Amino acid sequence: GAGVSQSPSNKVTEKGKDVELRCDPISGHTALYWYRQSLGQGLEFLIYFQGNSAPDKSGLPSDRFSAERTGGSVSTLTIQRTQQEDSAVYLCASSLEGLAGGYNEQFFGPGTRLTVL
Amino acid sequence: AQSVAQPEDQVNVAEGNPLTVKCTYSVSGNPYLFWYVQYPNRGLQFLLKYITGDNLVKGSYGFEAEFNKSQTSFHLKKPSALVSDSALYFCAVRDGRGGGYNKLIFGAGTRLAVHP
Repeated sequence: GAGVSQSPSNKVTEKGKDVELRCDPISGHTALYWYRQSLGQGLEFLIYFQGNSAPDKSGLPSDRFSAERTGGSVSTLTIQRTQQEDSAVYLCASSLEGLAGGYNEQFFGPGTRLTVL
Repeated sequence: AQSVAQPEDQVNVAEGNPLTVKCTYSVSGNPYLFWYVQYPNRGLQFLLKYITGDNLVKGSYGFEAEFNKSQTSFHLKKPSALVSDSALYFCAVRDGRGGGYNKLIFGAGTRLAVHP
């Protein structure tokens, strides 16, 4: 079946502009995660969704970052007033996860490479 | 604090030789451990996980990992390396502090280079 898809695959923007990154999880996966992969910081957790709710936003670096999920499916990560330090690969993952679970593997998308000039 | 360490930035192996990629962890509670592989310009692919049970876990592409509680290690192994195994490998541990979901804490990654 189809895996996790992300768009765009590459995004180049100018400092100060807003960007939106999209994630389409595997159908039926209730849990959705955003991570960021950068040279200096490695792979870091940003936010977790269970259905349309985000019980853990602890990894969002600043209030310029926000995310939403609609219909228990597609998620959008928005970065406002982008800065050069936002340049990274943004990875989305989904899994079959319930509140009583917590150990199912995550399936990752190919990522969006964001470059802020 | 929950953490994962991958002490080697790079591992070099000759094709056909056994390989080991090291990982140690620090968690409170039971460890849920994962290995992922990343090929160039690709997302992470799941290889295997340890939740409970046998200490030797078998995964995809002939990889296996050995859970050692006393040494808090979860090293990735393969008996015979292939050139196509060359990639970036990440060890991860579940951060269970938030409840029943799988927020992962990743190691810094180890680049595996298999030479013909």
